[in-house]
Amino acid sequence: NAGVMQNPRHLVRRRGQEARLRCSPMKGHSHVYWYRQLPEEGLKFMVYLQKENIIDESGMPKERFSAEFPKEGPSILRIQQVVRGDSAAYFCASSPVAEGENVPLPQETQYFGPGTRLLVL
Amino acid sequence: KQEVTQIPAALSVPEGENLVLNCSFTDSAIYNLQWFRQDPGKGLTSLLLIQSSQREQTSGRLNASLDKSSGRSTLYIAASQPGDSATYLCAVDDYKLSFGAGTTVTVRA
Repeated sequence: NAGVMQNPRHLVRRRGQEARLRCSPMKGHSHVYWYRQLPEEGLKFMVYLQKENIIDESGMPKERFSAEFPKEGPSILRIQQVVRGDSAAYFCASSPVAEGENVPLPQETQYFGPGTRLLVL
Repeated sequence: KQEVTQIPAALSVPEGENLVLNCSFTDSAIYNLQWFRQDPGKGLTSLLLIQSSQREQTSGRLNASLDKSSGRSTLYIAASQPGDSATYLCAVDDYKLSFGAGTTVTVRA
């Protein structure tokens, strides 16, 4: 069972460009979380999604950032018009859900991908 | 809003010494508490997960305790080795994870 996949692993963008980060959850996981780790700071929650639905985006910056998790394909975190302050490591995690329900299992951890390191020049 | 604090921020010990890492959190309404390890430039590896109804979990040389009422957790690493050098992150789970800033551990050979 492959782990959580993220690509690209490293991404360099110039100010004003768009960045697209992809996350494929573990097989059988339908919930995806995005976290951001700014230099010298801890990991911060950004957004929680399930297929075709955003559950909680309370950690997302109000502008330029968006996330989706379509019915088919990976979850995408999109950053428009990047600025230098967007340089960070972006981690995706996935978790299984209780059978027949749509809530995470409290006894299960979130499984993290290797991260995408975004550098904005 | 959940606030997670980890003390100390950094720790350097000689090989063989036991490690004690502390974590405190402000809101006790959690599903579970997790300890992760992060190596420089790498992702996160889950070490231990303690459900809210549990008091501790053990895995090999690692033992983690949880006191929900006081909002504290402690990670013990016995007989430390140079390979234990990493940043250890505490995270509380109320369906999304709230992380502490981490404790960076250096084990000297």
